[in-house]
Amino acid sequence: KNQVEQSPQSLIILEGKNCTLQCNYTVSPFSNLRWYKQDTGRGPVSLTIMTFSENTKSNGRYTATLDADTKQSSLHITASQLSDSASYICVVSDRGSTLGRLYFGRGTQLTVWP
Amino acid sequence: EADIYQTPRYLVIGTGKKITLECSQTMGHDKMYWYQQDPGMELHLIHYSYGVNSTEKGDLSSESTVSRIRTEHFPLTLESARPSHTSQYLCATQPRTGVGNSPLHFGNGTRLTVT
Repeated sequence: KNQVEQSPQSLIILEGKNCTLQCNYTVSPFSNLRWYKQDTGRGPVSLTIMTFSENTKSNGRYTATLDADTKQSSLHITASQLSDSASYICVVSDRGSTLGRLYFGRGTQLTVWP
Repeated sequence: EADIYQTPRYLVIGTGKKITLECSQTMGHDKMYWYQQDPGMELHLIHYSYGVNSTEKGDLSSESTVSRIRTEHFPLTLESARPSHTSQYLCATQPRTGVGNSPLHFGNGTRLTVT
């Protein structure tokens, strides 16, 4: 069964600290993996995409990693800010064609305290 | 600036009522989706469309219908609302490429409460 598991379910950190969110998947075949950020009361917004050949990709203070062998991805947030408080959702695509589908994780709820 | 408009943002309605959730986009994207999202749970696909006059059922489609008469509009209709329909409904669009090759663009959702 194709699944996407995220951990931790929730996380509280102090402003300025770093944190890492995890995403494990069993989706096969694998096309790509995206991390989305969802602010409270808003729709998710794409942060980054990881394809099979990519190991690391950065977007500002966000760095995503992918280990396609172990089927694990992480999202590292550096020097957290209050605006980073949000739910972070991992989404895996099983193929790049129109016939493919998306598999969603349940998200990690991050709270950054001042 | 919002490229995807969902109305209403909040709706409280009684059991048995017929409701339509509106979704409009200005990006000209061919693909549109409706997702249901409950707190702490993954998004579930309700319906999707690959273009005008194209609609397909997702995983949770049995109690709702959609139409795609125009590229810009993709309304979702619940014929008879039930308390189990209480949820957040998200509309999303995607340009015409492979399903995972472009990001989904989401609206800000409709929060539906059925009493």
